[in-house]
Amino acid sequence: GAVVSQHPSWVICKSGTSVKIECRSLDFQATTMFWYRQFPKQSLMLMATSNEGSKATYEQGVEKDKFLINHASLTLSTLTVTSAHPEDSSFYICSAVVARDTQYFGPGTRLTVL
Amino acid sequence: GENVEQHPSTLSVQEGDSAVIKCTYSDSASNYFPWYKQELGKRPQLIIDIRSNVGEKKDQRIAVTLNKTAKHFSLHITETQPEDSAVYFCAASGSARQLTFGSGTQLTVLP
Repeated sequence: GAVVSQHPSWVICKSGTSVKIECRSLDFQATTMFWYRQFPKQSLMLMATSNEGSKATYEQGVEKDKFLINHASLTLSTLTVTSAHPEDSSFYICSAVVARDTQYFGPGTRLTVL
Repeated sequence: GENVEQHPSTLSVQEGDSAVIKCTYSDSASNYFPWYKQELGKRPQLIIDIRSNVGEKKDQRIAVTLNKTAKHFSLHITETQPEDSAVYFCAASGSARQLTFGSGTQLTVLP
């Protein structure tokens, strides 16, 4: 089946620093990827839609200048959390559309901001 | 936008019994309804999905039913096993392919 990888799997950083998370489709090309955030014991909340070669579309309430998304190729999308603060600590998960509307998820990145 | 409600939030069943999780959605334009299983600290895994032109779909012990008129869909797990214990999420999407998730159901299968 389709494989989506994410790197790093976990990261700890100091408040005010930036963190980049990579999402890769390993055996298929993904023109569309999605970024989600999941707080403990909560559901997945869509942050933004990442389309290859164009600007990302952000959901209401998500700061585009804080969460920078780049989808530079058909197999890679990156999410950069800029000037991270403790409230940004969360589980960040990407997904890629494989066919029609089926989405497969990456393993997630646990971000802890001290 | 789409709103998906999921019930119950927690469900405990005895091993071998059946489990049913129900979801409702608000946007009549939604046409794709996947179910995901998520174990603690891991990625959501697609376990079954259904599209709006189908009323029921089954895969071994797992089945999903869809009632488009009432805008609700359900997950049925038969002959539950301890390894079925996890959080289950329903979701809905339309032409934009963006998934809106339900709030999740913590299923515990008691041995």
